[in-house]
Amino acid sequence: EPEVTQTPSHQVTQMGQEVILRCVPISNHLYFYWYRQILGQKVEFLVSFYNNEISEKSEIFDDQFSVERPDGSNFTLKIRSTKLEDSAMYFCASKGRTGNTEAFFGQGTRLTVV
Amino acid sequence: GEDVEQSLFLSVREGDSSVINCTYTDSSSTYLYWYKQEPGAGLQLLTYIFSNMDMKQDQRLTVLLNKKDKHLSLRIADTQTGDSAIYFCAESNPGGGADGLTFGKGTHLIIQP
Repeated sequence: EPEVTQTPSHQVTQMGQEVILRCVPISNHLYFYWYRQILGQKVEFLVSFYNNEISEKSEIFDDQFSVERPDGSNFTLKIRSTKLEDSAMYFCASKGRTGNTEAFFGQGTRLTVV
Repeated sequence: GEDVEQSLFLSVREGDSSVINCTYTDSSSTYLYWYKQEPGAGLQLLTYIFSNMDMKQDQRLTVLLNKKDKHLSLRIADTQTGDSAIYFCAESNPGGGADGLTFGKGTHLIIQP
């Protein structure tokens, strides 16, 4: 069964450093998403990406964040100058098309900022 | 803005039915979803319901939607230890093609032997 894969599963970084979280969406999917889940809190939408550009982003997704699909298979989330409050589980998801089709989620990357 | 609320914990005995409830605020939501998250795992879609339906059944799972009250429930019949997980209610954000999801905080389902 096709799946979304995320690497690394756990990343520890020092405050102020840049991190790149990587995702390989399902190969024929067109819509890509990043979500985050701070421990004990809701899963929050960050950004959606379609046709090589951002479709929608939440208030959380400020200038510190950026996304890229550099090579047609990977979908990355870059966090510049990480803060302690960026510590969370980050989930990537992809969809074949918009509407009711299932969004497939990856296993998540746990980011710990120290 | 959109908001989705769920109770944080539900404890049931093995073999009983579990009913997990959710309320949402956005009346223009088109689809409502139930996701399951097992420890250390990602989010697995269990089922979804279109907003013009009021019930959907899939094996042990029954979803009920009361659109007037903006209330969604997930019933799991004959609850097993393998059902122990966090269950997230989510709604699709209307408008635009990107339709990201708004999630609740999740309900921890605890199974007692």
